[in-house]
Amino acid sequence: DTAVSQTPKYLVTQMGNDKSIKCEQNLGHDTMYWYKQDSKKFLKIMFSYNNKELIINETVPNRFSPKSPDKAHLNLHINSLELGDSAVYFCASSQGLSVGYTFGSGTRLTVV
Amino acid sequence: EDQVTQSPEALRLQEGESSSLNCSYTVSGLRGLFWYRQDPGKGPEFLFTLYSAGEEKEKERLKATLTKKESFLHITAPKPEDSATYLCAVQGEYGNKLVFGAGTILRVKS
Repeated sequence: DTAVSQTPKYLVTQMGNDKSIKCEQNLGHDTMYWYKQDSKKFLKIMFSYNNKELIINETVPNRFSPKSPDKAHLNLHINSLELGDSAVYFCASSQGLSVGYTFGSGTRLTVV
Repeated sequence: EDQVTQSPEALRLQEGESSSLNCSYTVSGLRGLFWYRQDPGKGPEFLFTLYSAGEEKEKERLKATLTKKESFLHITAPKPEDSATYLCAVQGEYGNKLVFGAGTILRVKS
């Protein structure tokens, strides 16, 4: 059983399109995250939800909109995709503070 | 702002050649320092959390240590399967997020 699963694993799309990435966790964790890993492998926080409530919203263009229908799911919708959005997006979850996160396997987004 | 710097960027070892990876950090009130391992095409895999200076944790050939300014990941007698990118991250007192370093790419040759 995959603990944190993301779909799709690969996403190739044209500039200007709108796309969504889905994430589900079966660990019973109360907090979920979206991280972006750029070409230099830097992992940077984008959003965090705790029990469906947005608690972290870093400096991210408002073309990115997260949605958490319940505490086991956190989706990421991206409008008007740009070349610079190409990266690997990771979903993660944790239970409480100061504990290790469990990451998904990532979604490689390529905008052409 | 919380910051993490990892060195070296890349490290090549022969099988059995022990070494250490460094993670220097600045953070407002350390809640935890985390080590992860990331294999190509996969998500980071949690290794350790250290909470206070002087703390040490071990797992197989890996041992993590923590001071007030840096952490070390010691690798004893590494094997080729230890090849991966090792990521360090900190969590400060003002946010429920991890701030990551750029990682150290480790290659162990047999």
